Amino acid sequence: DGGITQSPKYLFRKEGQNVTLSCEQNLNHDAMYWYRQDPGQGLRLIYYSQIVNDFQKGDIAEGYSVSREKKESFPLTVTSAQKNPTAFYLCASSHREGLYNEQFFGPGTRLTVL
Amino acid sequence: AQKVTQAQTEISVVEKEDVTLDCVYETRDTTYYLFWYKQPPSGELVFLIRRNSFDEQNEISGRYSWNFQKSTSSFNFTITASQVVDSAVYFCALSETDSWGKLQFGAGTQVVVTP
Repeated sequence: DGGITQSPKYLFRKEGQNVTLSCEQNLNHDAMYWYRQDPGQGLRLIYYSQIVNDFQKGDIAEGYSVSREKKESFPLTVTSAQKNPTAFYLCASSHREGLYNEQFFGPGTRLTVL
Repeated sequence: AQKVTQAQTEISVVEKEDVTLDCVYETRDTTYYLFWYKQPPSGELVFLIRRNSFDEQNEISGRYSWNFQKSTSSFNFTITASQVVDSAVYFCALSETDSWGKLQFGAGTQVVVTP
């Protein structure tokens, strides 16, 4: 089955710790994205990558970092610099021409900072 | 500035009623795409429809229908004869030429269908 997997589903972290969220896709998509969703709000773009070894900041990149060493993988690190990291994180992918191609989403990771 | 506005925060209906979700967008591009996604309680967003700016034909897919009107910058979504399984958050999103297709999401509308 083709799709996007995110792990873990729930993640708890202590303040001051970095944490990495996994995102893997087997859809052969070039582009991948990370979004943050807060209660009652829409999705906000954190980072996106159009191709391997290249990525760009989205609207709320501060306190986050990413890497794109493989086409299938786009991990997101939430660093201690992120002031309010508790949120629901969604990973997505699409064919490279992002304008008209729909994005496919993973099941999400719910991060709670204790 | 908000590029996609979904003014309805929550809509509650009884099963078999119709429900219409409003979406108003703002763009200067002549070429753009509009999307609707469904987010059930499980959290994963499910793609429902894509519409480009040059195609103003309304579309129907089963109990779902969409009304795209460029004159009012609106792309409304109607669920006919709603069912409990339609309970979810629905997002409207905009993709513009000058932003390489990054999706701008509205805040979402929570639909609650009760038996």
